[in-house]
Amino acid sequence: GQNIDQPTEMTATEGAIVQINCTYQTSGFNGLFWYQQHAGEAPTFLSYNVLDGLEEKGRFSSFLSRSKGYSYLLLKELQMKDSASYLCAVEDSNYQLIWGAGTKLIIKP
Amino acid sequence: ETGVTQTPRHLVMGMTNKKSLKCEQHLGHNAMYWYKQSAKKPLELMFVYSLEERVENNSVPSRFSPECPNSSHLFLHLHTLQPEDSALYLCASSHGTGGPTDTQYFGPGTRLTVL
Repeated sequence: GQNIDQPTEMTATEGAIVQINCTYQTSGFNGLFWYQQHAGEAPTFLSYNVLDGLEEKGRFSSFLSRSKGYSYLLLKELQMKDSASYLCAVEDSNYQLIWGAGTKLIIKP
Repeated sequence: ETGVTQTPRHLVMGMTNKKSLKCEQHLGHNAMYWYKQSAKKPLELMFVYSLEERVENNSVPSRFSPECPNSSHLFLHLHTLQPEDSALYLCASSHGTGGPTDTQYFGPGTRLTVL
């Protein structure tokens, strides 16, 4: 079967750095997406990785290792507004998105 | 971000009611999606439409009936729902090309409660 694993919840301090991991087992691989979802709002696109390595976008970076079936989202200089759920999704060989359950990130002052 | 809109935002209905959810996208996309999001569970893909043709139906009960009259509008018709159908229903759209440029953009969702 197809499976995406990510931690259910994480807590971090304002101004710090946090890494949210995602491991996957899917039928083929055509890319990995990270989305951010604030409570009661729509998921919004953060990043896309298809090649191994690190993609940096301001305070957010996303890493991919296809051989290990592993990705992480790195958030630097955490702000209170970063409190949200972070969803990992993998595009399988049929270009269908397989979603993780999301990681709820709680930022404390 | 108002690229994808959904109405209503909240809906409470009895098990014998009939209601419809509406989604509209203003992004010029060709593909539209309905997802169900329950607490602490992955997003569940329900239906996919590409150029107004249904291309995916993930074994969704017949009490959910989608309609896509054109590439900008998507409806989800609901009838005789069960309490376990209570969830956040999300609509999304994309170019529909598949691959690296086919990022999905989501609406804010309809929070559905079935009594």
